[in-house]
Amino acid sequence: DIQMTQSPVSLSASVGDRVTITCRASQTINIFLNWYQQKSGKAPNLLIYGASNLQSGVPSRFSGSGSGTDFTLTITNLQPEDFATYYCQQTYNTRPWTFGQGTKVEIK
Amino acid sequence: EVLLVESGGSLVKPGGSLRLSCAASGFNLSRYTMDWVRQAPGRGLEWVSSISTRSTYIYYAESLKGRFTISRDNARNSLYLQMDSLRVEDTAIYYCVRERVSTSGNWFDPWGQGTLVTVSS
Repeated sequence: DIQMTQSPVSLSASVGDRVTITCRASQTINIFLNWYQQKSGKAPNLLIYGASNLQSGVPSRFSGSGSGTDFTLTITNLQPEDFATYYCQQTYNTRPWTFGQGTKVEIK
Repeated sequence: EVLLVESGGSLVKPGGSLRLSCAASGFNLSRYTMDWVRQAPGRGLEWVSSISTRSTYIYYAESLKGRFTISRDNARNSLYLQMDSLRVEDTAIYYCVRERVSTSGNWFDPWGQGTLVTVSS
């Protein structure tokens, strides 16, 4: 199975900050990498698919990049509603689709 | 509005069984591969199972070792997960998700609100 490793596991940031979360795959996954946001007590919500495609309705302050094994989720001008846990997911080749362990973005 | 609503979660003893249901609305279920994803309390996300549009292709996480069975009824716009020989470690919120696919890969959207399964004596 492909292992996904996110870093950091948690971070503290202030409103208005630029935040970067990284996700590394244990083998190349081309661009087949998605990002989800999960707020406390809620179901996850798709942010980015195919490494860099912004899901409809998601604010443009969210962006994704990368290919191969290394990927990045960037949030510019962090807003209060962005404090949440973020997960990457790979969907390369065949199942099982695997997730990173999550990155919790907390208020500084 | 595209909506997925899970039901069937409850408290069950180890070794017991449970059947989860997912009712889809706002779209034609028969056109999409569907999945189950779970999340143990305070933990991350774990993909559980997938079923293709006509149930031709079915996949499970290796850790389930044949205890779970995914199925669908396209006429009823519904997805199911039969869970047998339940273990304490199966305790989790179970999410029903629609799988999208394109040249950019596969992704899950939307997610249901989840249903809680608690396995405890």
